[in-house]
Amino acid sequence: EVQLVESGGGLVQPGGSLRLSCAASGFTFSSYEINWVRQAPGKGLEWISYISSGGLTMFYADSVKGRFTISRVNAKKSVYLQMNSLRGEDTALYYCARAIVGTQGAFDIWGQGTMVTVSS
Amino acid sequence: EMVMTQSPATLSVSPGEGATLSCRASQSVSSNLAWYQQKPGQAPRLLIYGASTRATGIPARFSGSGSGTEFTLTISSLQSEDFAVYYCHQYNDWPPVYTFGQGTKLEIK
Repeated sequence: EVQLVESGGGLVQPGGSLRLSCAASGFTFSSYEINWVRQAPGKGLEWISYISSGGLTMFYADSVKGRFTISRVNAKKSVYLQMNSLRGEDTALYYCARAIVGTQGAFDIWGQGTMVTVSS
Repeated sequence: EMVMTQSPATLSVSPGEGATLSCRASQSVSSNLAWYQQKPGQAPRLLIYGASTRATGIPARFSGSGSGTEFTLTISSLQSEDFAVYYCHQYNDWPPVYTFGQGTKLEIK
């Protein structure tokens, strides 16, 4: 089965750090670009980060630039999101999503999400 | 900054009827537009990409159209499982600054 599974969410104090993981299975992971998308409680979807299939190119939304770092290890079929200097507005359900090859940004496979709560 | 505006915010439709959802981009996104369906407690599901291509396994009652700045998702003969929130998503920008619309809630009338 083709799937993505996120982990690593939790409760963290403002200014703290968390590292999210996204584990892939059922497809040739190294051929696909991966993105992180988040959804604050009761709100819409917000794209936050992209990583190329080889892991050499990364991009970020302005809202997380300089605080979040995306990376991947293809041998482990995993993508990571290191989140530093967390703020209350980072509280959200974080999804990783696979982009259809050749489209760059149409996300055909999503994980179930991992919840991050930033609160004192 | 690209802004995606969906209308209406809420659409009330009876089962068996059709529904038309709209998405407008503040600048041209060519055909780099996707539609997703999200049900409570679930991840989004890709319905349409490239403005009009149905994703794998998506029923033919879902269709997408448009290009440039105006896009439409049409659902013919609504089934009970179609009542959900729908998001449009532009992926035209490079470097990516992908943006989603605010969503349209499709509810049972």
